[in-house]
Amino acid sequence: GNSVTQMEGPVTLSEEAFLTINCTYTATGYPSLFWYVQYPGEGLQLLLKATKADDKGSNKGFEATYRKETTSFHLEKGSVQVSDSAVYFCALIKAAGNKLTFGGGTRVLVKP
Amino acid sequence: GAGVSQTPSNKVTEKGKYVELRCDPISGHTALYWYRQSLGQGPEFLIYFQGTGAADDSGLPNDRFFAVRPEGSVSTLKIQRTERGDSAVYLCASSLTERTGAIFFGPGTRLTVL
Repeated sequence: GNSVTQMEGPVTLSEEAFLTINCTYTATGYPSLFWYVQYPGEGLQLLLKATKADDKGSNKGFEATYRKETTSFHLEKGSVQVSDSAVYFCALIKAAGNKLTFGGGTRVLVKP
Repeated sequence: GAGVSQTPSNKVTEKGKYVELRCDPISGHTALYWYRQSLGQGPEFLIYFQGTGAADDSGLPNDRFFAVRPEGSVSTLKIQRTERGDSAVYLCASSLTERTGAIFFGPGTRLTVL
């Protein structure tokens, strides 16, 4: 079946540090890949997505590249802010599917 | 425009009781999803509606769980004979029909079974 594995948190960083959250997936065919973010006290929000190999999704300074050869979709941001403190979820939708399969989430805490 | 709304935001019940959780999707969204998120974990799929019909209910854990969407808009998730293990945040989401991942989530209902 489909699955998503992401690095466990919490990840604690200082402001302006570089952030990487690793995500790998298992799926048949060519899934679409997503990063969702859950800020404290808020609902899940789509952060970025990529629908085919070598696509790069980007939003709010975050980037992730769909790497089919390594089945990965790592999230990166060059300079984090305190406001980036949240839980980040990697997810996929399998080809011809509709439901999201999520990873376990990675909590990120950015300290001033 | 309003996003996905869910009521109640919190529900505390006793073991063995029946509960209903309500979801109002974004207007015009024909696809509606229910997910369950346990503490410290990612959301897990429960059921997916396309219009009024349940297109995929493979995530429902057992026959105590049931969901309806009679008019293709509002949906209700029903849990019978609640158990302590049912305690979680129940998330509703909606989207247009295409599988673009533009799935919008509601704030969730936190269910606590004592």
